Amino acid sequence: GDSVTQMEGPVTLSEEAFLTINCTYTATGYPSLFWYVQYPGEGLQLLLKATKADDKGSNKGFEATYRKETTSFHLEKGSVQVSDSAVYFCALVHQGGSEKLVFGKGTKLTVNP
Amino acid sequence: EAGVAQSPRYKIIEKRQSVAFWCNPISGHATLYWYQQILGQGPKLLIQFQNNGVVDDSQLPKDRFSAERLKGVDSTLKIQPAKLEDSAVYLCASSPPGQTNEKLLFGSGTQLSVL
Repeated sequence: GDSVTQMEGPVTLSEEAFLTINCTYTATGYPSLFWYVQYPGEGLQLLLKATKADDKGSNKGFEATYRKETTSFHLEKGSVQVSDSAVYFCALVHQGGSEKLVFGKGTKLTVNP
Repeated sequence: EAGVAQSPRYKIIEKRQSVAFWCNPISGHATLYWYQQILGQGPKLLIQFQNNGVVDDSQLPKDRFSAERLKGVDSTLKIQPAKLEDSAVYLCASSPPGQTNEKLLFGSGTQLSVL
């Protein structure tokens, strides 16, 4: 079945450091890909998405590119802030079926001043 | 815009007891989801409603879990009897008609501890 694999956390960075959180997927066909973020004490929020190969999703300085050849959707940010501290989830969905989101295990990011 | 409301925020019970969670989705959102998030794992879909009908409950442990959405608005998720492995955060989410994933909004969840 479909699955998502994220890099193991936790990740600890200093403010203004470069961030990469790796995400690879296994799925038949052409799923849509998502990054969700969960800030402390809050619900999951959609951060960005891409629906087809070579699409780049971006939001709040974060970017991820849908790479079909490597089945990857790595999350990047050039300069992280303390406020980016959260848990990040990579997810996929097949459109047209039940459209069930399949999540990775999440990666906890802590950014220190 | 009010968010997806869930209650209670926390619940501690002993194994074999019963527990119920409540969710009030965004007004007008036809689709409602219940997810289970075990510590260290990503959320797993338990059940999806479209209005008051079930779309997908393939991963709901039906021997102990039940859910309903009688009037197509609020929903309750029940566990009876609870097991230790049910300890998790239970997330409710909703989305408007025709925009399932782009407009999916999550509540803050109910954290269940089964002792």
